[in-house]
Amino acid sequence: DIQMTQSPSSLSASVGDRVTITCRASQSIASNLNWYQQKPGKAPKLLIYAASSLQSGVPSRFSGSGSGTDFTLTISSLQPEDSATYYCQQSYSTPRTFGRGTQVEIK
Amino acid sequence: EVQLVESGGDLIQPGGSLRLSCAASGFNVSSSYISWVRQAPGKGLEWVSVTYSSGTTYYGDSVKGRFTISSDNSKNTLFLQMNSLRAEDTAVYYCAREIGFSSHLDSWGQGTLVTVSS
Repeated sequence: DIQMTQSPSSLSASVGDRVTITCRASQSIASNLNWYQQKPGKAPKLLIYAASSLQSGVPSRFSGSGSGTDFTLTISSLQPEDSATYYCQQSYSTPRTFGRGTQVEIK
Repeated sequence: EVQLVESGGDLIQPGGSLRLSCAASGFNVSSSYISWVRQAPGKGLEWVSVTYSSGTTYYGDSVKGRFTISSDNSKNTLFLQMNSLRAEDTAVYYCAREIGFSSHLDSWGQGTLVTVSS
C-alpha cells in the first residue's frame, strides 16, 4: 500500500499569510494526488485534483503543485474561512490512501 | 445537480451487521464510480472501498472479507453491507463519486454515523 505522509499536522497563521502544506508519497504516484478541505461536522470538499487542477468554484488563492512523490498545497493569502483540516489523497492505486491531515488555525 | 445521501447508520452491537445506503441523484450510479470513506470520531479520513461501473469493487484491508457492496439500479442506490462489526468500525461513513482521469472525489454525501458498542 502507498503511504501518504502529510506535514505539518497543524499550523497557526494570520489572515493574509501564505500557507504551505506538504504531502509525500511512499512511491511515485505521478500526478494522481488530490487535496480536500474539511470543516467540523461537514463532509470533505474537493479543492485540487490531479496535483494542480483547481476544482470549479474553489477560490484561486488555493493552488497545488508537485509530481512523483512530493506535493504541495498552497494558500496564497489565508482567509478566516480557510480554518479547516486539509487532507491529501493518492488515487494512483487502491487502496486510495489519505494523509493524516493538517489542521489550519487562524491566529 | 449531483447529490448523494447516505442513510442507515445506527448503534449496533459488536459482531452485528448493518446495511448503509447511498442514494444518488443527478447522475447514474450504474455508470459511475462510487467510493466509501469513513472517519472515526476525532480522527482522519480512511478509504473503505471503490466500486467501478463494471461492478468490480476494491476494499481496504481493514474491511476486506467483512464488507460488501451491492446496488439497486432502479433506485439509483448503492449499499454497503457491513458484517462482523467491531468497535473500530465506529465512524461516520461517507459515499462519494469518483470521477476523472485522476480519480478524484468530486461530490460527497453528508455522512451517516455507525456506532459499534455493547
